[in-house]
Amino acid sequence: GAVVSQHPSWVICKSGTSVKIECRSLDFQATTMFWYRQFPKQSLMLMATSNEGSKATYEQGVEKDKFLINHASLTLSTLTVTSAHPEDSSFYICSAISGGVVIQYFGAGTRLSVL
Amino acid sequence: GENVEQHPSTLSVQEGDSAVIKCTYSDSASNYFPWYKQELGKRPQLIIDIRSNVGEKKDQRIAVTLNKTAKHFSLHITETQPEDSAVYFCAASSGGNEKLTFGTGTRLTIIP
Repeated sequence: GAVVSQHPSWVICKSGTSVKIECRSLDFQATTMFWYRQFPKQSLMLMATSNEGSKATYEQGVEKDKFLINHASLTLSTLTVTSAHPEDSSFYICSAISGGVVIQYFGAGTRLSVL
Repeated sequence: GENVEQHPSTLSVQEGDSAVIKCTYSDSASNYFPWYKQELGKRPQLIIDIRSNVGEKKDQRIAVTLNKTAKHFSLHITETQPEDSAVYFCAASSGGNEKLTFGTGTRLTIIP
């Protein structure tokens, strides 16, 4: 149980374009989803917390207009990197929890390369 | 906010020996402490967790200890095997908002 699917696993895009990453909870309802960014050989840095049906809460220093998060249903959250630039190249990982359970289950991650 | 420090950053252990990774946290309100294992390019996998009302938890070769007074917790892996080689992250959560603050990670290498 507790499977989180993330798509795509790898994306290459041109500078200035937008990229959408999907995160789905396959066998449970995710009341809260988290989005992390991980640079090579570094830790996971929380970008934002999203709750179904409400606006995401962004961590300090994360541009909300650049990283658009939508949590439209209890099984789907999306992260859109708008006007991507090479410095946005990173490994983006989502996680999800079900109400009342604190354990976070992670997606497999999306490697974004911006040329 | 919470700050989690993790040591060492790299650790090499002979196969069969034990490995210990230590973390400290700053927020006394934190009450949930998971440990994740991440292989290269893969998702973090929860390997063990502990809550603040427990001092120690064990699952086969893996154990975690928590000292609330000192605000530190440790991961112990006994009888290490080559497949234990990975990056290990500790994390802390205050429970109220369920956010996890991660440590900086430990790259564990098991030497055959």
